[in-house]
Amino acid sequence: EVQLVESGGGLVQPGRSLRLSCAASGFTFDDYAMHWVRQAPGKGLEWVSGISWNSGSIGYADSVKGRFTISRDNAKNSLYLQMNSLRAEDMALYYCAKDKAAGILGYFDYWGQGTLVTVSS
Amino acid sequence: AIQLTQSPSSLSASVGDRVTITCRASQGISSALAWYQQKPGKAPKLLIYDASSLESGVPSRFSGSGSGTDFTLTISSLQPEDFATYYCQQFNSYPALTFGGGTKVEIK
Repeated sequence: EVQLVESGGGLVQPGRSLRLSCAASGFTFDDYAMHWVRQAPGKGLEWVSGISWNSGSIGYADSVKGRFTISRDNAKNSLYLQMNSLRAEDMALYYCAKDKAAGILGYFDYWGQGTLVTVSS
Repeated sequence: AIQLTQSPSSLSASVGDRVTITCRASQGISSALAWYQQKPGKAPKLLIYDASSLESGVPSRFSGSGSGTDFTLTISSLQPEDFATYYCQQFNSYPALTFGGGTKVEIK
């Protein structure tokens, strides 16, 4: 059974940093691209970032480019999102999501339950 | 970035009804469209990819159609467990992946 378990969310002040993690199991992690997708409270879905199976292809939404960094450790079956210079508008539930392909197809067949990031002073 | 406009934003329907949700792209995206279902407090679930391919395990009452700029998600006979919010998502313009605003399907 595919499982994606996010962690690392919490309350952080504007301008500070946070690192999210996603632990994957139930599939061959290094065979698939992975993504982060977020959802602000009561709002719709927003893709944040994606990374191919070998980290050779990485992409970011314009809203986070230059502030967020996605990475993965295939030996640890883990995906990460380093979030710097956090803003109020980054407050959301952050989902880890599995791509349907090794390269980035860009749609998501499994999702974690999310980790909540709250940005407030 | 490619914008996706879903309509309606919400609808009320009864069990057994046929329900159609539309998604219009601001420019052509071929068949690079997916549909997701999200229930309150839960993660989204993939229903349809490549505009019309049914994801494994998804009931056959769900179907998708369209290409270019106009797409539809149809639920042929609405079931109690189908009351949820539905999102379309385009993957034609990576890394600018975008979602529609969502359609909430409520019980009449």
